[in-house]
Amino acid sequence: DIQMTQSPSSLSASVGDRVTITCRASQSISSYLNWYQQKPGKAPKLLIHAASSLQSGDPSRFSGSGSGTDFTLTISSLQPEDSATYYCQQSYSTPWTFGQGTKVEIK
Amino acid sequence: QVQLQESGPGLVKPSETLSLTCTVSGGSISSYYWSWIRQPPGKQLEWIGYIYYSGDTNYNPSLKSRVSISVDTSKNQFSLKLSSVTAADTAVYYCARTRDYSTKYYFDYWGQGTLVTVSS
Repeated sequence: DIQMTQSPSSLSASVGDRVTITCRASQSISSYLNWYQQKPGKAPKLLIHAASSLQSGDPSRFSGSGSGTDFTLTISSLQPEDSATYYCQQSYSTPWTFGQGTKVEIK
Repeated sequence: QVQLQESGPGLVKPSETLSLTCTVSGGSISSYYWSWIRQPPGKQLEWIGYIYYSGDTNYNPSLKSRVSISVDTSKNQFSLKLSSVTAADTAVYYCARTRDYSTKYYFDYWGQGTLVTVSS
């Protein structure tokens, strides 16, 4: 199985800050990488697919980049509603696997 | 707007079979892949498997001996069966539509999730 490792596990930042979350795959996965946002008690919500394609309707402050083994999710200007846990997920090969999550809190 | 809704017992006894159904509304189940994903309390997400509307399946090897996913296109539903459950199978179970974007798969619509507890 491909292992997905996210860092940091949690972070606290102020409104307006630039936030970067990293996801590393245990082997090259090209751009087969998706990002999800999950708020407490809710289902995950797709943010970005294929490493950098933002879902229609999602704020442009979210962006994704990377290829191979190293990927990043960036929130350019953190907003209060961005408080959530973010997961990366690879679809390069089954079993599809998720990172352990990064919890983003607002200071 | 596509909507998914999980249904099934919230409590299952150890060694019995967990059975859940996902009903898709606002769109057809045809021409898509459909997945089951679970999340133990406070833990990360785990993909269980998917089914194509035609019936082709792919399961997580860690669960393959115990899992079965089926589809009923006439009812716009797909279902999950997980046998010989233990407390480790306690989780929120999600169903999700699985899009294929040039072989890059992703989960674009999710059900709200249903908590299944394994306990006697």
